[in-house]
Amino acid sequence: EVQLVESGGGLVQPGRSLQLSCPGIGFTFGDYAMGWVRQAPGKGLEWVGFIRSKAYGGTTEYAASVEGRFSISRDDSRSIVYLQMSSLKIEDTALYYCTRLRPPTNDFDYWGQGTLVTVSS
Amino acid sequence: DNQMTQSPSTLSASVGDRVTITCRASQSTGSWLAWYQQKPGKAPKLLIYRTSNLESGVPSRFSGSGSGTEFTLTISSLQPDDFATYYCQQYTSYPLTFGPGTKVDFK
Repeated sequence: EVQLVESGGGLVQPGRSLQLSCPGIGFTFGDYAMGWVRQAPGKGLEWVGFIRSKAYGGTTEYAASVEGRFSISRDDSRSIVYLQMSSLKIEDTALYYCTRLRPPTNDFDYWGQGTLVTVSS
Repeated sequence: DNQMTQSPSTLSASVGDRVTITCRASQSTGSWLAWYQQKPGKAPKLLIYRTSNLESGVPSRFSGSGSGTEFTLTISSLQPDDFATYYCQQYTSYPLTFGPGTKVDFK
């Protein structure tokens, strides 16, 4: 059974940094692109970014709202994807979901339960 | 950016009703469109990918159609488990974008 379990969320002050982690279980992690989607309280879904599998260069794509502040990386030996968030803003407050992207269509076929990030002074 | 819109934003319906949700893109997405269902307090769940392909385990009362810039999600006979919010999402171009969602609630 595929499982994605996010961790690392919490309360953080504006301008500070935070790293989220998401181990993937039940599938060959290295074969898949992995991504992050967030949802502000009471709002819709917003794509944050994703990282391709090593077979596709392991490159990343980001939403404009986080480009230059957020960074996605992966450790295939440990089956973990990370979201490093820096220069956090109040508007980054959201539930952050880890997702698996299914090749070749890259739809989000599995989601974690989310970890809440609250940016507040 | 390829902006996605959905209509209606809220849909009140009864068990057994046929329900249709429309998703429009500001630019053509070809057939690269997915639909997700989200229930309160839960993660989204993939229902349909590539416009009309039913995800494994999803009931056949769900169907998707369309192409280019206009797409529909249809629930042929609404069941109690279907009351939720539905999102479309394009994956033709970056940034990947979601529609604002359609909430299906009890009439």
